[in-house]
Amino acid sequence: DAGVIQSPRHEVTEMGQEVTLRCKPISGHDYLFWYRQTMMRGLELLIYFNNNVPIDDSGMPEDRFSAKMPNASFSTLKIQPSEPRDSAVYFCASSHSGQVNRELFFGEGSRLTVL
Amino acid sequence: AQKVTQAQTEISVVEKEDVTLDCVYETRDTTYYLFWYKQPPSGELVFLIRRNSFDEQNEISGRYSWNFQKSTSSFNFTITASQVVDSAVYFCALSEVSGGGADGLTFGKGTHLIIQP
Repeated sequence: DAGVIQSPRHEVTEMGQEVTLRCKPISGHDYLFWYRQTMMRGLELLIYFNNNVPIDDSGMPEDRFSAKMPNASFSTLKIQPSEPRDSAVYFCASSHSGQVNRELFFGEGSRLTVL
Repeated sequence: AQKVTQAQTEISVVEKEDVTLDCVYETRDTTYYLFWYKQPPSGELVFLIRRNSFDEQNEISGRYSWNFQKSTSSFNFTITASQVVDSAVYFCALSEVSGGGADGLTFGKGTHLIIQP
């Protein structure tokens, strides 16, 4: 069974450019999460969806960040325009509400470098 | 608000030593879940264990053991007879279930464990 799939694994871009990160959750999972990991702030929850609907986006840093989930098998996190301080590893994770334990399954992450 | 504190930023031990990683959490919920994840140098997050707030039994899995104490709001992780392959960043995390939602996890800042040969 495939895990959470993220793309691209690595992205290097210049300040001001638009960045789109993609995620395919595990089939059947109804929760999807976007996390950001930096040395300074650790792992931060940016936004999460339930049944494709955004539930809590309070962690999204600012209006430059947006996330969508057009269907159960795909989500995007977009940064426009990107800034050097957005450099981080972005993780997507999914879970199933039927799980009592609330385990999150993480993708391998997308490492973003903004020059 | 929920909070997870891992006071040890980095720990370095020699192979075969035992090592304990501390985790202290804060929550107002009576029902919650605690987790440990491992992040090896390759970067992925690997699930290790989950514990719900009603189960204070300690757990052992091979060289790994976990000590959950609600009285001190701690969920510590011990590696016995450490090995070089245990070198990684270890994260403790908390999930509240108030409102029935998944909420996601609140992570501690992580402890970087270095096992020297």
